[in-house]
Amino acid sequence: DGGITQSPKYLFRKEGQNVTLSCEQNLNHDAMYWYRQDPGQGLRLIYYSQIVNDFQKGDIAEGYSVSREKKESFPLTVTSAQKNPTAFYLCASIPPLDRSRSSGNTIYFGEGSWLTVV
Amino acid sequence: DAKTTQPPSMDCAEGRAANLPCNHSTISGNEYVYWYRQIHSQGPQYIIHGLKNNETNEMASLIITEDRKSSTLILPHATLRDTAVYYCIVRNLNRDDKIIFGKGTRLHILP
Repeated sequence: DGGITQSPKYLFRKEGQNVTLSCEQNLNHDAMYWYRQDPGQGLRLIYYSQIVNDFQKGDIAEGYSVSREKKESFPLTVTSAQKNPTAFYLCASIPPLDRSRSSGNTIYFGEGSWLTVV
Repeated sequence: DAKTTQPPSMDCAEGRAANLPCNHSTISGNEYVYWYRQIHSQGPQYIIHGLKNNETNEMASLIITEDRKSSTLILPHATLRDTAVYYCIVRNLNRDDKIIFGKGTRLHILP
């Protein structure tokens, strides 16, 4: 079945280490997104990519990096420059835009990854 | 910054209709209104979306004002399982589809 897979679901990081969260989709979606969620808070956009080899910063990109070398993959690296990385991270994707339809395109989410700094 | 504003929390009695408001006063003509909800720390679940007309599906109804500056999500018969955070977002379905979530409304269904 098609979907978005995030891994690992739980990750512990020592201070000063970089870690990479994986996001893979087999839905043939062009656009992919990374969000961060802190307890009791909404989703904040970190980075997004509309097409392979291209990505843009979201609202809280500092301390994070991404790559989009393949359409199906959009890994997020949490660098040591991110001072408070403990959070829940969600990856999302959307299908190619179909302008002929009167309805819009829904958003597909992964199950999320919990990152804890120890 | 989020393009929408929502009340931080709301209560609704079980079995009654839950009406969740959303303000999107800066919405442009080609932006859609989407509603999602998130239960605990799972991925948000799609509820409904619309452009100009009111919409209804098996989960909810979406009422969009004529000027499109606000909308209301209606859960017709709320149950305890509808307790969640509800997000209203607007999307411009062009090449730069920067999807911004706000803080959402935390809906408490009271038994």
